[in-house]
Amino acid sequence: QVQLQQSGPGLVKPSQTLSLTCAISGDSVSRNSAAWNWIRQSPSRGLEWLGRTEYRSKWSNDYAMSVKSRITINRDTSKNQFSLQLNSVTPEDTAVYYCVRGLYSSSYYYFDFWGQGTPVTVSS
Amino acid sequence: QSVLTQPPSVSGAPGQRVTISCTGSSSNIGARFDVHWYRQLPGVAPKVLIYGNNNRPSGVPDRFSASKSGTSASLAITGLQAEDEADYYCQSYDSSLTAWVFGGGTKLTVL
Repeated sequence: QVQLQQSGPGLVKPSQTLSLTCAISGDSVSRNSAAWNWIRQSPSRGLEWLGRTEYRSKWSNDYAMSVKSRITINRDTSKNQFSLQLNSVTPEDTAVYYCVRGLYSSSYYYFDFWGQGTPVTVSS
Repeated sequence: QSVLTQPPSVSGAPGQRVTISCTGSSSNIGARFDVHWYRQLPGVAPKVLIYGNNNRPSGVPDRFSASKSGTSASLAITGLQAEDEADYYCQSYDSSLTAWVFGGGTKLTVL
């Protein structure tokens, strides 16, 4: 059974960097039939996909245009985990952040395992 | 404003059938990208309910089904049960945004 365990601070000051980590058990961050995503949820923006990292012969990242200038997703294969960094945060970045596995199955790609969620508040 | 539009709420009595619509555009559902459905209970992460337009993961009863046509999709729940109360979200891919997108969610109330 795949499990995603999130860690990171729940309070970030405006203009600073939000950093979260997602430890994977029961799967590998290097698996070539999955991608590792960050999705957030807030009352004002709903569910919003932020970005992903995947290995399909080589590593690649995709980012949502709404955060592309501020986001970095990294992976650590030795620790089997991936991370989110979101720079220059504002109160609009207040949300519950989820790490999520995206599975390639047959011709489909969908989000099949979710972390427990980390509520992050941006406030001074 | 979500890219995919869902009704904010639907309701039905136990045993009834309800449907939840998901309206997109020519850059997502209308472009033949797959639609997936998720259910979310309060305080926990969403869970996949239907993937690839109308495929159920193991453990999801066949009371749940989905369909897609043109720029819209819909989720149907038959034999409504109290435990079906939750928020339901549709999800697809948008080629204009080059992003995976979600509906705004629909709260199902079992009367």
